[in-house]
Amino acid sequence: DSGVTQTPKHLITATGQRVTLRCSPRSGDLSVYWYQQSLDQGLQFLIQYYNGEERAKGNILERFSAQQFPDLHSELNLSSLELGDSALYFCASSWGGSGSSYNEQFFGPGTRLTVL
Amino acid sequence: QKEVEQDPGPLSVPEGAIVSLNCTYSNSAFQYFMWYRQYSRKGPELLMYTYSSGNKEDGRFTAQVDKSSKYISLFIRDSQPSDSATYLCATIEGGGSNYKLTFGKGTLLTVNP
Repeated sequence: DSGVTQTPKHLITATGQRVTLRCSPRSGDLSVYWYQQSLDQGLQFLIQYYNGEERAKGNILERFSAQQFPDLHSELNLSSLELGDSALYFCASSWGGSGSSYNEQFFGPGTRLTVL
Repeated sequence: QKEVEQDPGPLSVPEGAIVSLNCTYSNSAFQYFMWYRQYSRKGPELLMYTYSSGNKEDGRFTAQVDKSSKYISLFIRDSQPSDSATYLCATIEGGGSNYKLTFGKGTLLTVNP
């Protein structure tokens, strides 16, 4: 158990709908990262938040948005869903402090999204 | 060209075999190189990481980076059925509090008893 929690575990919805995925980081971690994993694209970085502020953006669609709240939990909002958005969505957290060394990212169990 | 290329396999070996998993990358600015292991229906977990070129050993696992050829390897000695998982190589772009992980697509490994 990494200490990162994600809800819900599974989500089934229809095209055009909007869903919210939730992530609670490990205690003490300030950074939250969102990743999308699909069979054809693999695991892709979407966005990073550090202590409430957006820090880095990856291949995140404009239909997707995220935020990190004062208690450091994060939500990923996916709207106008398409069939191709079906994937596993992972949240990861790290301490994210300053410095050049690597801060290990701990991954949650993921949310499996199915768009019908 | 993808930034990190990894042969997806699948790879099937008998118990006790030596396994070699490989990746190539294109961005010479990458400094940290990671191997993650992902069991079915679970999130990835960090196996080991190396900084710059060289080898790093942890028990039955050895990670190797050759920056001159932009080649990353993971060797598993005396492989066990419990090693059956998808192995993802990854590199870091960023520093300080920004860490964008770039992953390979993963290699599915099955170790048969």
